[in-house]
Order: sequence, then C-alpha cells, then structure tokens
Amino acid sequence: DTGVSQDPRHKITKRGQNVTFRCDPISEHNRLYWYRQTLGQGPEFLTYFQNEAQLEKSRLLSDRFSAERPKGSFSTLEIQRTEQGDSAMYLCASSFIRDTELWANVLTFGAGSRLTVL
Amino acid sequence: DAKTTQPNSMESNEEEPVHLPCNHSTISGTDYIHWYRQLPSQGPEYVIHGLTSNVNNRMASLAIAEDRKSSTLILHRATLRDAAVYYCILRGGGADGLTFGKGTHLIIQP
Repeated sequence: DTGVSQDPRHKITKRGQNVTFRCDPISEHNRLYWYRQTLGQGPEFLTYFQNEAQLEKSRLLSDRFSAERPKGSFSTLEIQRTEQGDSAMYLCASSFIRDTELWANVLTFGAGSRLTVL
Repeated sequence: DAKTTQPNSMESNEEEPVHLPCNHSTISGTDYIHWYRQLPSQGPEYVIHGLTSNVNNRMASLAIAEDRKSSTLILHRATLRDAAVYYCILRGGGADGLTFGKGTHLIIQP
C-alpha cells in the first residue's frame, strides 16, 4: 500500500485556464476528502465522498469547482476559469469508516497538489 | 464542530519531553479529541485520538482532563523530525471532515 497519491504535485497555470487534480486513495478506504490550504493557514474542508456519492460540499466550493469519484475509487477535483485566489495546496485524504466509529476514524492525507495561478 | 484553542507556537529542546496543550471548553459528550501534525511541505499526519481515557501509541500520549475541557499531547522525547504544526481537532456530530484551526507551531532546538 503506497498511501494516498496525488497528481500533479505542482501545477502552474494562467488565470482563466482550467485545471484538474487527481487523487488515488488507499484502496480499501470508502471515504475520500478534499481540502484546500493557503500559506500559514490550516487546511480547509471542501468536500467528501462516501464511495461514489458526494455527501457534503463546503461553501468554499464555488460553482467553478467540481469534484467527482465516478467508481468509488480515484477522485478528481476540477477548477474552471482559475483565479489568482485559487492558488493554494489542494489536499486529498481518505479513510475507512464504520457507522459504529464515525467520529473515531482516522484520515490519511496525501502530499498535496500545489496550484499557482499567474 | 466545537472549537479548540492552542498556543500559536512552542519551543523545546531535542531529546526532552514536549507537552502541547489544547483547550476545548465547549466539548460535547460524544466529541472525540484528535491530534494531527503537518511537517513542512507535507500533508497532515494522524498522531493520536481519544474520547475520555488517556491514550498511548508509538508516536505520542494523549492526556485528557477529567472534565474533558482540555487535553495535552505529550511527545516523550522530541527529535528534530518532530518539528511541525500540531492540530488539536474535535470530531463529533454534524458533518464529517476535520475542522483545522491554526495549530501550534512546534520548534525543536538541537
């Protein structure tokens, strides 16, 4: 098991372009989370999936952001018409959740994808 | 999620114990206390969690106050590799997902 993988690790783009990030979770994990982190701040929750169902989206996830997890395995996060304010580290995490231990489950994070919008 | 309060930064010497405090006075009875840390240029990493009793694992110990309104993460013998931002997070009720604050920036002096 290689942990949570994210690709690309770094992306530089021009304002107005679309970008897509991919996350491959730990294989047996049924939950997948996306976070955004700007310099000097803690990670901010964006959205999460249980298998292929997107169960919650943060208010931070504007209409320009869309996330998918089509087969309940890998996930993509797409940002359309990027703005300079989108520059951040995008973190993916996964966990295996049991109903009886909902708040005790542990998240495993990837190393993140750093986006720079020029 | 209920809020936590942590010092912005702490400094310790290598090979000495480190006690990282966290206040969570509005904790509810079902909230778990989780600690994660984030090393430079890496994603957050799970450290430990507990509900009521003190917990030990290979990385650290978690001491939970009897009234659960505060907790302390204990690194028994700090190394330079423990220099990181440490986040204390409550989980319970509401939606899933961790709510990170700014954490405590731990500096380890050689």
